[in-house]
Parts: sequence; C-alpha cells; structure tokens
Amino acid sequence: EVQLVESGGGLVQPGGSLRLSCAASGFNFNPYSMNWVRQAPGKGLEWVSYITGDSVRILYADSVKGRFTISRDNAKNLVYLQMDSLRAEDTAVYYCARSVRGQFDSWGLGTLVTVSS
Amino acid sequence: EIVLTQSPGTLSLSPGERATLACRASQSLSSNSLAWYQQKPGQAPRLLISDISTRATGIPDRFSGSGSGTDFTLTISRLEPEDFAVYYCQQYGGSPVFSFGPGTRVDFK
Repeated sequence: EVQLVESGGGLVQPGGSLRLSCAASGFNFNPYSMNWVRQAPGKGLEWVSYITGDSVRILYADSVKGRFTISRDNAKNLVYLQMDSLRAEDTAVYYCARSVRGQFDSWGLGTLVTVSS
Repeated sequence: EIVLTQSPGTLSLSPGERATLACRASQSLSSNSLAWYQQKPGQAPRLLISDISTRATGIPDRFSGSGSGTDFTLTISRLEPEDFAVYYCQQYGGSPVFSFGPGTRVDFK
C-alpha cells in the first residue's frame, strides 16, 4: 500500500524558515515524480513544487519561486521542501503527492504550517 | 496561463440524484491531462478520474468523466451519502504546469 507521511510543520514567524519532509513507502520510490501541494485554511488546492525521480527536472509555482527548494533522497525514500522567507500567506496544510502523467494519484495526510508573529 | 473555472460553486442535491459538475479551461488542453479529485472535510484529496475519463483504482462506476478541449464534466450518476464533498478539477502541461480549479461543493439539499 502506498503511504506518504509528511512531517516538519509548525508555527514560524514571518521571515523564518522551515523544512518539511515526506516519507514514502509501499512502492518503488525512485522512478516517481513527487510534488508538494498546499491548501490554505478554508481555501482550495494550490500546487507548490515538483521534482522528477532523478531530480533532473524541478518546478515551482510563481508564488514560492526563489523562496522554496524541493529535493529528494532516493536512498531514504524522502522528499523535502525547504521553505525560507516565509510569509503569512504561506500558512496552509502542505500535502506530499505522487504524480503519474501529471496527475496526483497518492496523497499524504498533510502537515500544517502556520506563519504568524 | 491556463485558468480553470468550476461551476456551480455549490450544488445542493439529495441522495439518489444525479450530479453534473463542470470544469472549463481558459485555453484548450493540449493533452488528455485533466483529472478530478474528491476532498472530504479534514481529509486529503483523493484522485477520482485521470486523463479526462479513466476512473482511478477503487472508484465506483457511478463516477464518470468526459469532455475535450476546454470543457469537461464530472458526473455522479446516483449520489450516495458518502459523495457529499468538494470536487476539484486539475490540469497538467499548461502554464503553470499544474493548476487546480476552485472547487465545487456538493452538499445536502
């Protein structure tokens, strides 16, 4: 069974940093592209970032470009999201999601990031 | 930039009724990469339909997807109590590479 488990969320001040992790299990991790998708409280879904299995292609939403960095460790079946220069509008539940042909077929339960002073 | 709009914003129906949800893209999608997701309160989204009309594993056949170009539809043939949720469409391959519609809430009449 595919499992994605996010961790690392919490309360951080504006301008601060946080690193999210996503632990994958139940499937052959290396070939799959992985993503972060977020959802602000009471709002819809917003794709944040994408990384291919070999880390060759990396993409970001304009809203986070230059502030967030996605990476992965295929030996440990982990995906990371380093979030710097955080803003109040980054407050959201952050989901880790596997993508196949551009569609998100498996999701974690999410981790809440709150940016507030 | 491809913008997805969904209508209606809220659909109020009773169990057993048919639900028709629309998703419109601001530009024609160049591939079949249009998906639908269901999200219940406090839960992660779940993939229902991929590639416009392919049901994901374990999704009941009362869910169906159709459309092409800029207009797409998710149909729930007979609503079950567990189907009352928010539904999102999502495109891949445009600009931005991934984007979601704002969602349609299906609630009890």
